[in-house]
Amino acid sequence: AQKVTQAQTEISVVEKEDVTLDCVYETRDTTYYLFWYKQPPSGELVFLIRRNSFDEQNEISGRYSWNFQKSTSSFNFTITASQVVDSAVYFCALSEAQSTGFQKLVFGTGTRLLVSP
Amino acid sequence: NAGVTQTPKFQVLKTGQSMTLQCAQDMNHEYMSWYRQDPGMGLRLIHYSVGAGITDQGEVPNGYNVSRSTTEDFPLRLLSAAPSQTSVYFCASSYREEGTEAFFGQGTRLTVV
Repeated sequence: AQKVTQAQTEISVVEKEDVTLDCVYETRDTTYYLFWYKQPPSGELVFLIRRNSFDEQNEISGRYSWNFQKSTSSFNFTITASQVVDSAVYFCALSEAQSTGFQKLVFGTGTRLLVSP
Repeated sequence: NAGVTQTPKFQVLKTGQSMTLQCAQDMNHEYMSWYRQDPGMGLRLIHYSVGAGITDQGEVPNGYNVSRSTTEDFPLRLLSAAPSQTSVYFCASSYREEGTEAFFGQGTRLTVV
């Protein structure tokens, strides 16, 4: 079965520090998709990025960057120069195809990031 | 742009009561689903639908019922609420395309006393 592990339960940093959130996944599929979602204190889930298993190129979007390494089954997320607004719970998720074609999301347990001024 | 709309945002039920959580999307997405979020467990799939009239069970379906009569709506029914169903419930929708991201509603915080 698919599994996503986010070993860091909570991380506290001071504003402007860089922080990396770890995500390790398990799957037997050769084609799969990985996602990161952000859950701010208001509670909604905000999509951040999708990566498919054939694209190992790292991605940068502003202060956010993602490092996908199939060799270690990891999809880590780095925030550079963190800001208070980055305080949230971050979820890593892996798609699992169902027999109906539906793509179930298997979520990690989340990492709570606290950025203090 | 409404996206995925869930109602209500908060609800308190007594054990044994029934209720329906509403979910509607205006993006013409084929797939819709319900997840529950519990502390330390991430989100888990309850039920999902791949189109109007087609539903299937997810990981934790017991105690819940769904139906999908239209593309837009996917209500979740709690048949006889139990304290174990205290949770935050999220409705999601997505296109049929493989690997597409899911769009989530704002969540419903349900407490069963």
